[in-house]
Amino acid sequence: DTAVSQTPKYLVTQMGNDKSIKCEQNLGHDTMYWYKQDSKKFLKIMFSYNNKELIINETVPNRFSPKSPDKAHLNLHINSLELGDSAVYFCASSQRPGEQPQHFGDGTRLSIL
Amino acid sequence: AQKITQTQPGMFVQEKEAVTLDCTYDTSDPSYGLFWYKQPSSGEMIFLIYQGSYDQQNATEGRYSLNFQKARKSANLVISASQLGDSAMYFCAMREGGRGSTLGRLYFGRGTQLTVWP
Repeated sequence: DTAVSQTPKYLVTQMGNDKSIKCEQNLGHDTMYWYKQDSKKFLKIMFSYNNKELIINETVPNRFSPKSPDKAHLNLHINSLELGDSAVYFCASSQRPGEQPQHFGDGTRLSIL
Repeated sequence: AQKITQTQPGMFVQEKEAVTLDCTYDTSDPSYGLFWYKQPSSGEMIFLIYQGSYDQQNATEGRYSLNFQKARKSANLVISASQLGDSAMYFCAMREGGRGSTLGRLYFGRGTQLTVWP
């Protein structure tokens, strides 16, 4: 059974479009995260939610809007996609904020044409 | 200043040999956690090992051990008896603050690409 699942695995779209990435975890964790991994493999946190409440919001353009309908889901919506948004986006979860380890999804590779 | 520094962009090791991947960290918080993750070419992030700042002993998980030197602020990963399947990118990461801290973000290093050859 997949613990943290992201869809889609690959997303190819044109500049200016709006797209969403979905994430679901079946671990019963309270905390979920979105990370961005750039072309040089550098991973950086974008957002974190705890029990549907936003607790971490790094310096991310407001074109990125996370939404957590319940504590098992954390979706990422991106408006007006730009070339620089091309990256792999990872969803992760942990029992509580700061708890270890964080369990990662398999990533969504976003390519902007 | 970088929170996590991995100075080895690439490492090579022969199968069955041991290898050490370096990691140094920077924090003034007395409570923190250190992690290693493995990312194979397939892309997923796999948790390997964890060391808490107050843990007295070095963490071990099977063939993985963490050489924790607090005074030097280093947390090197040692892989014993390397296998071909160990070829991957390895990331060192740090969480500042204690367990349950609401600021539960992980700071990642830039990674070390390990290649195991027969």
